[in-house]
Amino acid sequence: ETGVTQTPRHLVMGMTNKKSLKCEQHLGHNAMYWYKQSAKKPLELMFVYSLEERVENNSVPSRFSPECPNSSHLFLHLHTLQPEDSALYLCASSQVRNRAEAFFGQGTRLTVV
Amino acid sequence: DQQVKQNSPSLSVQEGRISILNCDYTNSMFDYFLWYKKYPAEGPTFLISISSIKDKNEDGRFTVFLNKSAKHLSLHIVPSQPGDSAVYFCAASPVNSGNTPLVFGKGTRLSVIA
Repeated sequence: ETGVTQTPRHLVMGMTNKKSLKCEQHLGHNAMYWYKQSAKKPLELMFVYSLEERVENNSVPSRFSPECPNSSHLFLHLHTLQPEDSALYLCASSQVRNRAEAFFGQGTRLTVV
Repeated sequence: DQQVKQNSPSLSVQEGRISILNCDYTNSMFDYFLWYKKYPAEGPTFLISISSIKDKNEDGRFTVFLNKSAKHLSLHIVPSQPGDSAVYFCAASPVNSGNTPLVFGKGTRLSVIA
């Protein structure tokens, strides 16, 4: 139990599909993040939600749409993705204004076919 | 342009010897640095951190050294164990980060050979 839970763990979707990734944190944190990990690249920040408001959108294409209904839940809605979007998508949470580390979920391995 | 660089994609070390993982950064506003460890099929887990007011932080077998003038930090693992085999990510956070998230390097894959 890591405190940050992501579902599903694996997802294969076609380019015309619509799917959603879910993240839930049980740590009482008030900031949540989506990161993308592609092979041979640094972890790329996608979105930041702080106190349930989106505070950063790191030039992510509109085919990725985040949703943060409350401080414990974060979604990433996927629509008409491309094969190059195949990657490991990681959710993380932290306490805003606390220099403590971010806690990560186990990730969703996404394959777009 | 990468602000946090881990120039060695991989490292192999004999069990019992020292592992040294290196990280360089370019942004002088970074003042808090972390190392994360990642096993396959799992998310990164926090390992150790250091604030810029220190030049060394030690936790058991893990020690992080910070050289601010060189904008360089390193993680030492001694003695290395086979269970240490993982990808290690260096991350940095700027001054007064508030809700500014961490900036990560590409990672270094450590293999500890029994």
